[in-house]
Amino acid sequence: GNSVTQMEGPVTLSEEAFLTINCTYTATGYPSLFWYVQYPGEGLQLLLKATKADDKGSNKGFEATYRKETTSFHLEKGSVQVSDSAVYFCALSERSRYGGSQGNLIFGKGTKLSVKP
Amino acid sequence: GAGVSQSPSNKVTEKGKDVELRCDPISGHTALYWYRQSLGQGLEFLIYFQGNSAPDKSGLPSDRFSAERTGGSVSTLTIQRTQQEDSAVYLCASSLGGAGMNTEAFFGQGTRLTVV
Repeated sequence: GNSVTQMEGPVTLSEEAFLTINCTYTATGYPSLFWYVQYPGEGLQLLLKATKADDKGSNKGFEATYRKETTSFHLEKGSVQVSDSAVYFCALSERSRYGGSQGNLIFGKGTKLSVKP
Repeated sequence: GAGVSQSPSNKVTEKGKDVELRCDPISGHTALYWYRQSLGQGLEFLIYFQGNSAPDKSGLPSDRFSAERTGGSVSTLTIQRTQQEDSAVYLCASSLGGAGMNTEAFFGQGTRLTVV
């Protein structure tokens, strides 16, 4: 079945450090890939997405590239800020090769990031 | 509405009692999802509604769990004879269509259920 594996946290970095959170997936079809973020005390919200191989999603200085050959969608940011402290979730959703959706989002277990000033 | 609304935000119940959790999706969203978030377990898919299609119930952990979506809008997740292991945050999300397309899923704040 489909699954998402992401690096376990917690991850603690100093401000302005480089961030990588690894995410790999297993899927039988043509998934769309997502990163969601959950800030303290807030609900989950979409950070970025990519819908086909070699697409790069980006938002708020974060980037992730859809790598079909390595089945990966690693999240990166060149210089983290204290305000980036949150839990980050990698997710996938299958889609038909003919377009259209096939159902639910499958999430990784989440990675907690803490950024120290 | 402006966002996905869930109620109650917190629920404490005694073991063996039934509970109902409510989700109001964003108006016009045809897809609705329920997830469970337990400490250290990530988000566990429970059930998915898409328009008038039969729901995908493959994630429901036992027959004590059920969900309805009336009129394609509001959804209620019911847990019967609650157990302590049911304690978790229950999240609802909605999207314009299935998440396989370029449609973002919007999440509610969740209901924190504690079974004592």
